Amino acid sequence: AQSVSQHNHHVILSEAASLELGCNYSYGGTVNLFWYVQYPGQHLQLLLKYFSGDPLVKGIKGFEAEFIKSKFSFNLRKPSVQWSDTAEYFCAVRANNAGNMLTFGGGTRLMVKP
Amino acid sequence: DARVTQTPRDKVTEMGQEVTMRCQPILGHNTVFWYRQTMMQGLELLAYFRNRAPLDDSGMPKDRFSAEMPDATLATLKIQPSEPRDSAVYFCASGLTGANVLTFGAGSRLTVL
Repeated sequence: AQSVSQHNHHVILSEAASLELGCNYSYGGTVNLFWYVQYPGQHLQLLLKYFSGDPLVKGIKGFEAEFIKSKFSFNLRKPSVQWSDTAEYFCAVRANNAGNMLTFGGGTRLMVKP
Repeated sequence: DARVTQTPRDKVTEMGQEVTMRCQPILGHNTVFWYRQTMMQGLELLAYFRNRAPLDDSGMPKDRFSAEMPDATLATLKIQPSEPRDSAVYFCASGLTGANVLTFGAGSRLTVL
């Protein structure tokens, strides 16, 4: 069974700082990769996804993620964070034999100080 | 925008009471998931339906939890009897086989006293 690890549980940044959130998964086959964001008091929303092709994926709100197959990683990045990026970020993996079932990482809580 | 609708948004109940959470998936979606979010465990998959048939409920405590899809427009998650450790946010998500993207509902926050 696949598993997903997010190394940072809490991250605190000042506005305009650069962000990188780590995500590693364990599964030897083909995967689809996702980042979801949960703003305070809101539901999970899709930030970006990788299915195939260019391993550098651009999502909404200036976020991007890079799939590095050799490292089983899908790190999320943003060059300059804003206060409104304060949220919890979840990495998720879908194995190619798992239907639509996602396995989530433990989440990273990001706080951006104004 | 099509959305997944969950009710209730918030529920406070006492230990031992029955709790039923409902989910209306996006019209036309044929997969439905129930996830539970807690501070300690993060997001855990409880149950997974495809075309209304349960495919995976291994993450669900069978003695007190049950999940059903009486029809294609309604999924229910029932806890009987509820316990304080069930306090969490329960998310429903729906998708379409092959589309690979899930849409989440707003969640039902359950507090069991």
